[in-house]
Amino acid sequence: DSGVTQTPKHLITATGQRVTLRCSPRSGDLSVYWYQQSLDQGLQFLIQYYNGEERAKGNILERFSAQQFPDLHSELNLSSLELGDSALYFCASSRDSLSYEQYFGPGTRLTVT
Amino acid sequence: GQNIDQPTEMTATEGAIVQINCTYQTSGFNGLFWYQQHAGEAPTFLSYNVLDGLEEKGRFSSFLSRSKGYSYLLLKELQMKDSASYLCAVRDRGKLIFGQGTELSVKP
Repeated sequence: DSGVTQTPKHLITATGQRVTLRCSPRSGDLSVYWYQQSLDQGLQFLIQYYNGEERAKGNILERFSAQQFPDLHSELNLSSLELGDSALYFCASSRDSLSYEQYFGPGTRLTVT
Repeated sequence: GQNIDQPTEMTATEGAIVQINCTYQTSGFNGLFWYQQHAGEAPTFLSYNVLDGLEEKGRFSSFLSRSKGYSYLLLKELQMKDSASYLCAVRDRGKLIFGQGTELSVKP
């Protein structure tokens, strides 16, 4: 158990809908990262937050947005969902923005039908 | 551009040694990571190299040559539980860029 929690574990929704994925980092970690893992794309970095502020951005679609709250938990919002958004979404956390070791949560499996 | 290459799959025998290679071309470089991922589970951190050379950690070792854009993960005394996907990742200006992963099957 990495200490990073993610909810929900599974999510099934229809195309065009909007969902919110939630992540709580390890106690004391200030940085949160979001990743998408699909069968054909592998693990893709989406976005990083550090202490409430956006720190780095990857190939995150405009339909997707994220934020980190004052209590350091983070949410990833996915809207206008398409079939291709079906994937495992992982959250990871680290002590600070430069820490090399990221601890991954168990992931949320999103299925868009 | 950003490119990280590793073999798609490898097979090895229990008790043997296996080397998984990774080559990379990225705009920036702040370290190379290896992660292990069992099917449907979260990746777990194995090793980190930022300077050239070999880092050893129990049965696992990782090597880096920055001039060649090359790394390898060495797994010794293979066990059945080592069957998993091994992901090579480069940190480029704060972002972790992952390779597609190498699926390792350990056979008895």
